[in-house]
Amino acid sequence: DAEITQSPRHKITETGRQVTLACHQTWNHNNMFWYRQDLGHGLRLIHYSYGVQDTNKGEVSDGYSVSRSNTEDLPLTLESAASSQTSVYFCASSEEGYEQYFGPGTRLTVT
Amino acid sequence: GENVEQHPSTLSVQEGDSAVIKCTYSDSASNYFPWYKQELGKRPQLIIDIRSNVGEKKDQRIAVTLNKTAKHFSLHITETQPEDSAVYFCAASSTGSARQLTFGSGTQLTVLP
Repeated sequence: DAEITQSPRHKITETGRQVTLACHQTWNHNNMFWYRQDLGHGLRLIHYSYGVQDTNKGEVSDGYSVSRSNTEDLPLTLESAASSQTSVYFCASSEEGYEQYFGPGTRLTVT
Repeated sequence: GENVEQHPSTLSVQEGDSAVIKCTYSDSASNYFPWYKQELGKRPQLIIDIRSNVGEKKDQRIAVTLNKTAKHFSLHITETQPEDSAVYFCAASSTGSARQLTFGSGTQLTVLP
């Protein structure tokens, strides 16, 4: 069955380190998204992509970057991790631009 | 950009009663309004959505209403059950960037047995 996966599911890192979170989908969806979820803030959009080689900044993009070299993957990189980036990160994908399917999430702790 | 406000932030109801969650949005160009349910430790999952060309949509015990003039939409859950306990998020997507969703801050619904 087609699916969307994220890895790792849990990550602890130190301040200042570079961290990359993986997102892989097998639906062949053109649209992919990264959100962070914090208590009281719901889901906030970090970056998104509408296709290979396309990337766009979302509401809270500072300190994050993405690249899209193929349809299936949209890795999220924290260039220099900060404690404020401790959060749960969700990747999502969609085709028609409407219903978004979410991955299982990655819990990131920056110490 | 779009701004979505969601109320209440917490809601407790007795099993069998109805629950209503309300959202307002700011961008009159928004044309798609999904609702997601997120159980503890799980991913958000779509439960119902509505497009701007209809005013109401129903799926068994859940329904969504949309008032474009007032720019608000609501989720209605009837005959609530303990398994309805979860966090519910509303979202809105505008025509100009139709693939992006702006989410509300969520409502923790607790159904008391």
